[in-house]
Amino acid sequence: EADIYQTPRYLVIGTGKKITLECSQTMGHDKMYWYQQDPGMELHLIHYSYGVNSTEKGDLSSESTVSRIRTEHFPLTLESARPSHTSQYLCASSTPTGAGRVAFFGQGTRLTVV
Amino acid sequence: GESVGLHLPTLSVQEGDNSIINCAYSNSASDYFIWYKQESGKGPQFIIDIRSNMDKRQGQRVTVLLNKTVKHLSLQIAATQPGDSAVYFCAENHPNNTDKLIFGTGTRLQVFP
Repeated sequence: EADIYQTPRYLVIGTGKKITLECSQTMGHDKMYWYQQDPGMELHLIHYSYGVNSTEKGDLSSESTVSRIRTEHFPLTLESARPSHTSQYLCASSTPTGAGRVAFFGQGTRLTVV
Repeated sequence: GESVGLHLPTLSVQEGDNSIINCAYSNSASDYFIWYKQESGKGPQFIIDIRSNMDKRQGQRVTVLLNKTVKHLSLQIAATQPGDSAVYFCAENHPNNTDKLIFGTGTRLQVFP
């Protein structure tokens, strides 16, 4: 059972508001990720981090930003939310296996911008 | 470009039958694959993985088959149960960067009584 937590689970917010989605893991994993997923669709990597003070852009361009000040914490921020940001955001962390890396996911935050 | 895609968006099976979910990948250099299960309202959960030096791997009621010749892998679920209803994703470790996972679109498995 993976120990990775996201808050809030659901968020409805007005256009123009600043929001921060929280993600924490207690497994000591060095690498963490944010994925964006529309209902029933594939996951798109928007940010990842190799460790403390490391942040990288993912494959899908996003107006969000991330920070990694502590190993266990990887928050995602939208400075000014827009309806186009409505989606599910999934946080993950990974650990190397003998073959490759396996990612463990949080429950997700479903964001609705009205 | 590189991609991992699934053949079918939805699969409906009767409870007790076996399910087979397929996945195609395009990069022959990919060497590690993972199947995830995502239930409604939850994040993806690891089911089973397989390295490219294997053709088959079995878990509890699940089997993953890898055919490197045609760049295809499948997830077989034996005696499908209502609790198996979910979206299933295959994922590929990026061959040039094992820190990234490439996910397919997903197949929704529906189990009916």
